[in-house]
Amino acid sequence: GNSVTQMEGPVTLSEEAFLTINCTYTATGYPSLFWYVQYPGEGLQLLLKATKADDKGSNKGFEATYRKETTSFHLEKGSVQVSDSAVYFCALSDRGDDKIIFGKGTRLHILP
Amino acid sequence: EAGVTQSPTHLIKTRGQQATLRCSPISGHTSVYWYQQALGLGLQFLLWYDEGEERNRGNFPPRFSGRQFPNYSSELNVNALELEDSALYLCASSSQGADYGYTFGSGTRLTVV
Repeated sequence: GNSVTQMEGPVTLSEEAFLTINCTYTATGYPSLFWYVQYPGEGLQLLLKATKADDKGSNKGFEATYRKETTSFHLEKGSVQVSDSAVYFCALSDRGDDKIIFGKGTRLHILP
Repeated sequence: EAGVTQSPTHLIKTRGQQATLRCSPISGHTSVYWYQQALGLGLQFLLWYDEGEERNRGNFPPRFSGRQFPNYSSELNVNALELEDSALYLCASSSQGADYGYTFGSGTRLTVV
């Protein structure tokens, strides 16, 4: 079945460091891919998405490129801030069941 | 525009009791999705309602049930509560389906004691 695997956390970085959170997926067909972010005590917010191969999603300085050949959708940011501390979820759309399947989440801590 | 709203924010129940959680989708969204976020387990798909009908359910026992009302709001009921039902329950809505992403509410934290 369809699934998402993302790097386990927590990931701890200093402010202004470069961020990469790895995400790979298994899917039949051509799913849409997402990154969601969950700040402490809140629900999930859609951070960015890509709907087809080679698409790049971007928002708030974060980027991810839909790589069909490597079945990956790694999240990157050039210079993180303390306010980026949160849990990040990689996800894909399961078109057969019309639902979104999430990875287990990666907790990110940014130190001032 | 109001987002997805969930109530109550927190709920404490005793094992064996029933819990009812409520969700109001974004205006114009006809689909409502329920997810369970238990500690360490990520988000698990529970239920999907569209146009008043249950369209899909995840791998949860029948004591997890719900419904969608004519105004598209939704209710999740959990009967015969067990300690492991303690989790954050997230509701999401969509007008275009999974391919375009969902908008989530802030969740209901259910604690079973």
